[in-house]
Amino acid sequence: AQTVTQSQPEMSVQEAETVTLSCTYDTSESDYYLFWYKQPPSRQMILVIRQEAYKQQNATENRFSVNFQKAAKSFSLKISDSQLGDAAMYFCAYNYMDSNYQLIWGAGTKLIIKP
Amino acid sequence: EPEVTQTPSHQVTQMGQEVILRCVPISNHLYFYWYRQILGQKVEFLVSFYNNEISEKSEIFDDQFSVERPDGSNFTLKIRSTKLEDSAMYFCASRPDRSPEAFFGQGTRLTVV
Repeated sequence: AQTVTQSQPEMSVQEAETVTLSCTYDTSESDYYLFWYKQPPSRQMILVIRQEAYKQQNATENRFSVNFQKAAKSFSLKISDSQLGDAAMYFCAYNYMDSNYQLIWGAGTKLIIKP
Repeated sequence: EPEVTQTPSHQVTQMGQEVILRCVPISNHLYFYWYRQILGQKVEFLVSFYNNEISEKSEIFDDQFSVERPDGSNFTLKIRSTKLEDSAMYFCASRPDRSPEAFFGQGTRLTVV
């Protein structure tokens, strides 16, 4: 069964510092996609970054980057130069083609930014 | 930029009442989804919809739930007889063909009292 695990219920970081959020997953698929979504207090789900499993290069989007370790089934999110607006729940999610790309979600990590 | 729109943003309903949650997906998207997030819990897949029929549904999506695309633009989720445990945030998402990336609406917070 496909599962996504986020082992950190809560993380805190000083403003302007770097923080890494962890995610591991379990799958027997070889071709799949991994995502990090941000959910601020408004509860809207906002895509932060996406990684294709067939790509060896780690995805980056401005201050956000991932460390994708396919053999270890690990997909961590690094946020550099943390800002107050980064405070939110962060969800790791996974999908693949044969599942009609339905998303399987981790439990989330609450990120607190200390001013 | 096109976006997925959900209405209402918040709905309060009496237990046992029917409720319809509405979504307008992005116009050229072909695949539609409903997800649910009970407060403090994981996001859960409910149902996916393609070509005017359900393509997949979870075990949560029982006979109390139904989906419809009545007019080619709206995508609705109906809960026939709401229970207290249906209280949750409901997210609609749509996806274009040949892309794994779903675009989410802002959610509808359903409160059953």
